[in-house]
Amino acid sequence: DAGVIQSPRHEVTEMGQEVTLRCKPISGHNSLFWYRQTMMRGLELLIYFNNNVPIDDSGMPEDRFSAKMPNASFSTLKIQPSEPRDSAVYFCASRDRGLNEQFFGPGTRLTVL
Amino acid sequence: GEDVEQSLFLSVREGDSSVINCTYTDSSSTYLYWYKQEPGAGLQLLTYIFSNMDMKQDQRLTVLLNKKDKHLSLRIADTQTGDSAIYFCAETPPNDYKLSFGAGTTVTVRA
Repeated sequence: DAGVIQSPRHEVTEMGQEVTLRCKPISGHNSLFWYRQTMMRGLELLIYFNNNVPIDDSGMPEDRFSAKMPNASFSTLKIQPSEPRDSAVYFCASRDRGLNEQFFGPGTRLTVL
Repeated sequence: GEDVEQSLFLSVREGDSSVINCTYTDSSSTYLYWYKQEPGAGLQLLTYIFSNMDMKQDQRLTVLLNKKDKHLSLRIADTQTGDSAIYFCAETPPNDYKLSFGAGTTVTVRA
């Protein structure tokens, strides 16, 4: 298995633009997590899906952020409109049912100018 | 996360042992984890320990858990340059999916 796949790996955009980050979890995993990593706040859980259903989105910073999981093999995190303070590394992770280990993707480094 | 605390930096000479310390506050934590993040990469699970254990050893890695003091440590024996990375301590309560991460300890291995 290729592991968790994220795209793009790097994204540079201007303030006000829409940004879409993509994630393909490991095949067979039923849980998916989106995290944000910044120097100031460390690693923060944004949203958690179980069997494609959002279970906990309390970490989503504001309405500008939205996440979807239309099927078991794909998820998106969208920011509209983007702001400079959204600049961070966004990680997707997936987990197999009944197990504790979360497998992380390589991350998307987002820079909003 | 504010519930998990780690020192931010550690410098160690190649070949020496590294000890990274972590304290947590949630006494109900079931699993405690150590993740490694290399530059430009995601987090990789190194090892984990169940809360009813005191110690776990895996090759060069030794995890010690003091549940009374809520203190977790990771010892890396014979530290190599490839061990230079950020190490995150994390915890999860029982029947929960949330990982609470510490701020990470940046380990620098010098020749």
